[in-house]
Amino acid sequence: AQTVTQSQPEMSVQEAETVTLSCTYDTSESDYYLFWYKQPPSRQMILVIRQEAYKQQNATENRFSVNFQKAAKSFSLKISDSQLGDAAMYFCAYRRYPHGSSNTGKLIFGQGTTLQVKP
Amino acid sequence: KAGVTQTPRYLIKTRGQQVTLSCSPISGHRSVSWYQQTPGQGLQFLFEYFSETQRNKGNFPGRFSGRQFSNSRSEMNVSTLELGDSALYLCASSLAYQETQYFGPGTRLLVL
Repeated sequence: AQTVTQSQPEMSVQEAETVTLSCTYDTSESDYYLFWYKQPPSRQMILVIRQEAYKQQNATENRFSVNFQKAAKSFSLKISDSQLGDAAMYFCAYRRYPHGSSNTGKLIFGQGTTLQVKP
Repeated sequence: KAGVTQTPRYLIKTRGQQVTLSCSPISGHRSVSWYQQTPGQGLQFLFEYFSETQRNKGNFPGRFSGRQFSNSRSEMNVSTLELGDSALYLCASSLAYQETQYFGPGTRLLVL
């Protein structure tokens, strides 16, 4: 079974600084998707970034970028120029690549990292 | 496009009662998934529906059930509520089950 681990329950960063959130996962599959979702105090889960395992290039979305290390099964999120609005809980998630009769969109989430942004 | 909507947003029930939660996906999305979020267990997958068919089910007791209608709207039902069912229930929709999921604001259920 696949698992996702976020070892940092809480992180803090100074406004305008850079912070990296860690995520490791375990899977025996070679094709899959990885995601970072953000959940602010409103509890609405918002997609931050998505990475396909078959792509070697790390995904980037404005101030958010990932460091995807497939061999190490590591998927960290870097937030540059941190803003007060970045304060939230961040979840790393895994999803199998669809194939055959076992197609599913089921997301497997890590435990989350609460990010505090200090002014 | 309007986002995923969930109703009601908040709900208080007592043990033994049953509850029905509703989810309306983004227009054009045919896949709906449900997740339960609690402080102790985190985010756990409940069900996944595509074109009115349940494609996948998480490890939850039979008290948890769901369905999807022809317009892709989905409902989940929890019967004989227990205190441990208190949670945030999140619904997510996607164009198809293999596409990126977009979440609704959730329904917060409190069981007394």
